[in-house]
Amino acid sequence: GAVVSQHPSWVICKSGTSVKIECRSLDFQATTMFWYRQFPKQSLMLMATSNEGSKATYEQGVEKDKFLINHASLTLSTLTVTSAHPEDSSFYICSARSRGAPYEQYFGPGTRLTVT
Amino acid sequence: AQKITQTQPGMFVQEKEAVTLDCTYDTSDQSYGLFWYKQPSSGEMIFLIYQGSYDEQNATEGRYSLNFQKARKSANLVISASQLGDSAMYFCAMRPNQAGTALIFGKGTTLSVSS
Repeated sequence: GAVVSQHPSWVICKSGTSVKIECRSLDFQATTMFWYRQFPKQSLMLMATSNEGSKATYEQGVEKDKFLINHASLTLSTLTVTSAHPEDSSFYICSARSRGAPYEQYFGPGTRLTVT
Repeated sequence: AQKITQTQPGMFVQEKEAVTLDCTYDTSDQSYGLFWYKQPSSGEMIFLIYQGSYDEQNATEGRYSLNFQKARKSANLVISASQLGDSAMYFCAMRPNQAGTALIFGKGTTLSVSS
């Protein structure tokens, strides 16, 4: 149990376009989802926390107008990178917590974004 | 401030040997949890082991054990009988006491296992 999926697993887009990444909890209801960003050989950097039905809380230094997060249902959160630039190229990982296990955190497999 | 420190950017070990990956943490919470994750080149985060702050015994999961020294605020991961497939990045993480808050990660240690 406790499976989190991400789609797509990798994506290449042109500079200036937007790209949407989906994060789904497959077998549980995710009351909270987290979005992380990871550069090569570095740690995971928390970008934002989203609770179902409410606005995401962004970490300091993360542009909320650039990284749009929507958590419209208990099983789906989306991250949209708007007007992407090459410096947005990174590995994006989502994770989720369930109502029944508020201290557990289940990770998705990640999405590799390359902006050309 | 809550923080995880991993001081070993890279570690090298030969197959079948044991290796210890260091992790120290800083928190004022009485209740917290400590995790170790493995991240191979594919990028997925693989959960290895968990230690709760009130657990009196060190956690073990197969070849993984967590050397928990609460007074020293350390939670080192010990991998016994290393295998080539253990080559990956390893992250120590802390779960603060507040429900709904994200895990706090260390910078990670890259482990390379040679034959």
